[in-house]
Amino acid sequence: NAGVMQNPRHLVRRRGQEARLRCSPMKGHSHVYWYRQLPEEGLKFMVYLQKENIIDESGMPKERFSAEFPKEGPSILRIQQVVRGDSAAYFCASSQPGTGGDSPLHFGNGTRLTVT
Amino acid sequence: AQKITQTQPGMFVQEKEAVTLDCTYDTSDQSYGLFWYKQPSSGEMIFLIYQGSYDEQNATEGRYSLNFQKARKSANLVISASQLGDSAMYFCAMRGGSRGGDTGRRALTFGSGTRLQVQP
Repeated sequence: NAGVMQNPRHLVRRRGQEARLRCSPMKGHSHVYWYRQLPEEGLKFMVYLQKENIIDESGMPKERFSAEFPKEGPSILRIQQVVRGDSAAYFCASSQPGTGGDSPLHFGNGTRLTVT
Repeated sequence: AQKITQTQPGMFVQEKEAVTLDCTYDTSDQSYGLFWYKQPSSGEMIFLIYQGSYDEQNATEGRYSLNFQKARKSANLVISASQLGDSAMYFCAMRGGSRGGDTGRRALTFGSGTRLQVQP
């Protein structure tokens, strides 16, 4: 029973390049959440998606960041024209559909993005 | 809006002793859920324990228990019989709507964390 799978585990990009982070939710989960964690800080919510739908993107920066969760395939967090301030750990989490507020989010191991 | 406050950036505890990690929260939701996660140095986020706002009894999971005081809006994590492997960052989190429906799938709001170090 595979957990939430994120890849790559580590990603290095130069300023101005694009970063693509992938997340495959747990089997049976159709809700995906992306969080960002800066060093020595807590997780900051970015976006919540269901298949082919963005439910809540209130935590996403207005520019350069986008997310999708297509009908087939993993969820993608895309960062265009990366800057040094984008360096962080990006976590994906998933949960089951139709469950109450007591269902925890199951997290992947994160992608550590370093912008040089 | 929801807010989680963890006022202890770091804590030390001797092996085999109990430790309490503080968490206070603020929300306008009538029902909500509170969660604790552990993040070891390897970086993964591990779910520990859950408390619903309508639950009358404090949650327990093995050596973890949650001291829930609704009137004070606090949800402190108690770890009994600390082990060296408990050394990690601990995050308190909450979600509005613990009684199902669409609000049951809201994202979690996290606190800034407490770094626990267990000493031999």
